[in-house]
Amino acid sequence: DAKTTQPNSMESNEEEPVHLPCNHSTISGTDYIHWYRQLPSQGPEYVIHGLTSNVNNRMASLAIAEDRKSSTLILHRATLRDAAVYYCIATYGNKLVFGAGTILRVKS
Amino acid sequence: EPEVTQTPSHQVTQMGQEVILRCVPISNHLYFYWYRQILGQKVEFLVSFYNNEISEKSEIFDDQFSVERPDGSNFTLKIRSTKLEDSAMYFCASSEFLTSGGDENIQYFGAGTRLSVL
Repeated sequence: DAKTTQPNSMESNEEEPVHLPCNHSTISGTDYIHWYRQLPSQGPEYVIHGLTSNVNNRMASLAIAEDRKSSTLILHRATLRDAAVYYCIATYGNKLVFGAGTILRVKS
Repeated sequence: EPEVTQTPSHQVTQMGQEVILRCVPISNHLYFYWYRQILGQKVEFLVSFYNNEISEKSEIFDDQFSVERPDGSNFTLKIRSTKLEDSAMYFCASSEFLTSGGDENIQYFGAGTRLSVL
């Protein structure tokens, strides 16, 4: 599994887009990029994943750099319910290796 | 929407006692996991389980820990003789598939069991 680097924290205003960056410069060709989030006092929750192409789902978008050494999770309109710790994980295997993640604070 | 269910939500035990944490994974999932999170720290992988066998385990998962799928629906984590440092949130997760990295490998987590060892 590749090591990932994320900012410790970010802040956003409600209803505005949020771009959460992640660096994974040692990613291998078979590693997928997964994003999970953990709301206060809850278990981790899957957000999105991708391999090479940008991905969209109902929760977010994932933009993957052409060289795959970095990616960005995009929340199009942050709400107060999006305040959480966001984890970027680069893995192929059967376990998720969580780092410290990015604490996202959303201001009303 | 299907979900992973964990019981109890909070377990208090005395040091040295055995505890069993229970999980009901999503019904069509074949792969099961336990993770733990000590207060204020990262989520840590403990063990993965498939076809009634441990697939992978971390250094944390020593002889004091065991996992079992006693019937078709439950998945349990047993700690034989609890220590103070076992106090943590324990999360169960399940996925359809083990290694592909794709959709089938998405892990769905329960809300966790808070274990307090006194």
